[in-house]
Amino acid sequence: EIVMTQSPATLSVSPGERATLSCRASQSVSSKLAWYQQRRGQAPRLLMYGVSTRASGTPARFSGSGSGTEFTLTISSLQSEDFAVYYCQQYNNWPRTFGQGTKVEIK
Amino acid sequence: EVQLVESGGGLVQPGGSLRLSCAASGFTFINYGMTWVRQAPGRGLECVASISGSGDTAYYGDSVKGRFTISRDNSKNTLYLQMNSLRAEDTAIYYCGKTAPYYLDCWGQGTLVTVSS
Repeated sequence: EIVMTQSPATLSVSPGERATLSCRASQSVSSKLAWYQQRRGQAPRLLMYGVSTRASGTPARFSGSGSGTEFTLTISSLQSEDFAVYYCQQYNNWPRTFGQGTKVEIK
Repeated sequence: EVQLVESGGGLVQPGGSLRLSCAASGFTFINYGMTWVRQAPGRGLECVASISGSGDTAYYGDSVKGRFTISRDNSKNTLYLQMNSLRAEDTAIYYCGKTAPYYLDCWGQGTLVTVSS
C-alpha cells in the first residue's frame, strides 16, 4: 500500500496570504495525484487531478505541482471559503490512498 | 446536474449487517466506475471499495476484504455496499463517489454507520 504523508498537519494563515501544502508518497505515483477540499460538516469535493489540472469550479488561485513522490498544492491568496481541510490522494495503485489531511485555519 | 444520494446507514450491533445504497442521477451511470469512501469520526478518508461501470470488476480495501461486497444495478442507477460482520472500527460516514475514471469527481453527502452494542 502506498502511504501518503501530508505536511503540515495544521497551517495557520491570514486571509489574503499564500498557503503551501505538501504531500509525499512512499513510492512513485507518477502524475496520478488528486487534491480534495473538505469544509466543516460537508462532503469532500475534488479540487485538482493529474497533479495540476483544476476541476470544474476550482478557482485559479489554486495550483498544483510535483511528480513522482513530492507534490504541492498552493493557494495564492486565501479567501474565507478556503479555510478547510485538504487531502491528497494517489490513484496510481490500488488501494487508492489518501493523506491524513492538512487543516488550513485562520491565523 | 450530477447527484448522488446515500441511504441505509444507522445503528447496528457488532457482528451485524447493513446494506448501503447510493442513488445516482444526472449522468450515464453505466459509463462510470463508482467508489465507497469512509471517514471515521474526526479522522481522514479511506477507500473502502470500487467497482467498474459494467460491474464485472471490484476492488476492496484490506480492512473490509471478505466482509463487504460492492455491487451495482445499472437498470436502477444504484450502487450498493453490503456490510457483514461489522466491527466498532467500521463506524464512519460512508460516501459514494463517481469515479472519473480513477479519482472521485463527485461525492454524495454521506450516510452515518454506527456499530455499537
